[in-house]
Amino acid sequence: AQKVTQAQTEISVVEKEDVTLDCVYETRDTTYYLFWYKQPPSGELVFLIRRNSFDEQNEISGRYSWNFQKSTSSFNFTITASQVVDSAVYFCALSEVFMNRDDKIIFGKGTRLHILP
Amino acid sequence: DGGITQSPKYLFRKEGQNVTLSCEQNLNHDAMYWYRQDPGQGLRLIYYSQIVNDFQKGDIAEGYSVSREKKESFPLTVTSAQKNPTAFYLCASSRQEGGTEAFFGQGTRLTVV
Repeated sequence: AQKVTQAQTEISVVEKEDVTLDCVYETRDTTYYLFWYKQPPSGELVFLIRRNSFDEQNEISGRYSWNFQKSTSSFNFTITASQVVDSAVYFCALSEVFMNRDDKIIFGKGTRLHILP
Repeated sequence: DGGITQSPKYLFRKEGQNVTLSCEQNLNHDAMYWYRQDPGQGLRLIYYSQIVNDFQKGDIAEGYSVSREKKESFPLTVTSAQKNPTAFYLCASSRQEGGTEAFFGQGTRLTVV
């Protein structure tokens, strides 16, 4: 069965510090996709990144970077030089791709990030 | 603008009443989803639909019902059988190809009074 674990329930860091959000997943499939979403106080989830299981190359987008390691089933998210606007709940998610196309997206419980000024 | 619209943003319901949450998208997406969010529980999948006139139960479907008569619309009914309906409900849609990202509405906060 598929499962996403975000062990960090809540994190607080001072502005300009780097912070890493952990995500560990379980899947029986060899083809799957991983996602990160941001949920600001307004409530709407904002898509940040998608990674497929065949692409282990790390990605950097501005202050955001993602480290995907299949060997440890992890897809961690790092914010460099954090800013107050980064304060939000961050969700990691997994989508398996079954032959019958009955795929669905499963989310972790989220990590609430507080960036303190 | 293309996107997903959920209405209403806030909803109050008396115990024992059914209530329907609206979700409309104009992204031409085939797949639509309903999630429930509770504090500390993350997002839990209620129902999802990959195509019109077809839908599947998610992990917590009991006490909920859906319909998918049109591609653009995926309303969720919270029935009186749902024992603890107070929560934040999020609707999402995506292209049908496996692994595509989902786009979310702004959510509906349902409170039972």
